[in-house]
Amino acid sequence: GENVEQHPSTLSVQEGDSAVIKCTYSDSASNYFPWYKQELGKRPQLIIDIRSNVGEKKDQRIAVTLNKTAKHFSLHITETQPEDSAVYFCAASKAAGNKLTFGGGTRVLVKP
Amino acid sequence: NAGVTQTPKFRVLKTGQSMTLLCAQDMNHEYMYWYRQDPGMGLRLIHYSVGEGTTAKGEVPDGYNVSRLKKQNFLLGLESAAPSQTSVYFCASSSGDTQYFGPGTRLTVL
Repeated sequence: GENVEQHPSTLSVQEGDSAVIKCTYSDSASNYFPWYKQELGKRPQLIIDIRSNVGEKKDQRIAVTLNKTAKHFSLHITETQPEDSAVYFCAASKAAGNKLTFGGGTRVLVKP
Repeated sequence: NAGVTQTPKFRVLKTGQSMTLLCAQDMNHEYMYWYRQDPGMGLRLIHYSVGEGTTAKGEVPDGYNVSRLKKQNFLLGLESAAPSQTSVYFCASSSGDTQYFGPGTRLTVL
């Protein structure tokens, strides 16, 4: 089955700096890669996703890049703010409605 | 439009007791999922359903059963709870790629 590795497990950045989280996946048939943000005690919420026919997608301060050949994708957060502090999860799946395989999560702390 | 809701929010069980967690969605989604989240382990899929009347095993199905008798509901059952099942349980639903999560149920098994 699919295996998703996520690094780093914790990330501390100064407010205003950028944060980058990287994920690798094992199944070359995977074609959908979402990123979820989970604040303490809350549910995971989708922040951005990318499909395999696209190499990069941006939404305001967040962007995701995908390298299908190397089977890895990354989340980039620019101009970080204290409210970006949370746990971020990457995931991968093969088809619409198919089950997601999640990475282990990255705890991001933005220091004011 | 409540989205995805879960009942109960918290529960404490003794070893060997049984219980059912209820997930409901009002978005007419075909697909529903049950995950457990343990510290440092991320989200792991327990069981899922691709439509009313269908269920399938996920990554960690042992000790759990599920049913999807109605499209809007997905039930997760623990027949004989064990301390290893102490976790936060999340339900999710989807009509395609994007999964929408419920608020979670925090279960403690003593």
